[in-house]
Amino acid sequence: DTGVSQDPRHKITKRGQNVTFRCDPISEHNRLYWYRQTLGQGPEFLTYFQNEAQLEKSRLLSDRFSAERPKGSFSTLEIQRTEQGDSAMYLCASSLATGVAKNIQYFGAGTRLSVL
Amino acid sequence: AQKITQTQPGMFVQEKEAVTLDCTYDTSDQSYGLFWYKQPSSGEMIFLIYQGSYDEQNATEGRYSLNFQKARKSANLVISASQLGDSAMYFCAMREGQDSSYKLIFGSGTRLLVRP
Repeated sequence: DTGVSQDPRHKITKRGQNVTFRCDPISEHNRLYWYRQTLGQGPEFLTYFQNEAQLEKSRLLSDRFSAERPKGSFSTLEIQRTEQGDSAMYLCASSLATGVAKNIQYFGAGTRLSVL
Repeated sequence: AQKITQTQPGMFVQEKEAVTLDCTYDTSDQSYGLFWYKQPSSGEMIFLIYQGSYDEQNATEGRYSLNFQKARKSANLVISASQLGDSAMYFCAMREGQDSSYKLIFGSGTRLLVRP
């Protein structure tokens, strides 16, 4: 039973560099979410995919952020020209969309980004 | 606007005793879902329990139960027979039924420490 996996678990980068994170959802799940969590806060929604289509983006997702899910399976989140304010935990979640089902989102362990 | 409020930044409980973690929510939707997640120091968000707004009975999952009081807009988590492994951050979250993305709105969390 494979859960949501995220890679890398930790990333340290210098300001101005680009970083890319990967998320592999639970295999049969067609919905995939990205959240950001800063210290002492709950996760905040960034963006959402149903299959390969990116259907919603939060205002938190500036132009420096881009997410893809090319074949409706794994997803990548890229941050260009990182800033110190991007330091956070980036969490990926997946769920199975079945009408009015609970749509329980299952989360990965996250990627912790530190921008120096 | 949708909002989740967790007023207890930190809680202590003695091992084997029960503890209640508070959560209130604000929504104008009739259809919504309420979730509790546990986040250990490792970072992964672990789904605990779900309550739908139309569910007439309070949800239970093992040692977890959700005290749902719709008129008061509260969804408190009760953990019975606390164990040392229950020490973690606990987040209450809401998903509105009218929002097709089913994104979750999280509270700021409660840190629970179980004393031996």
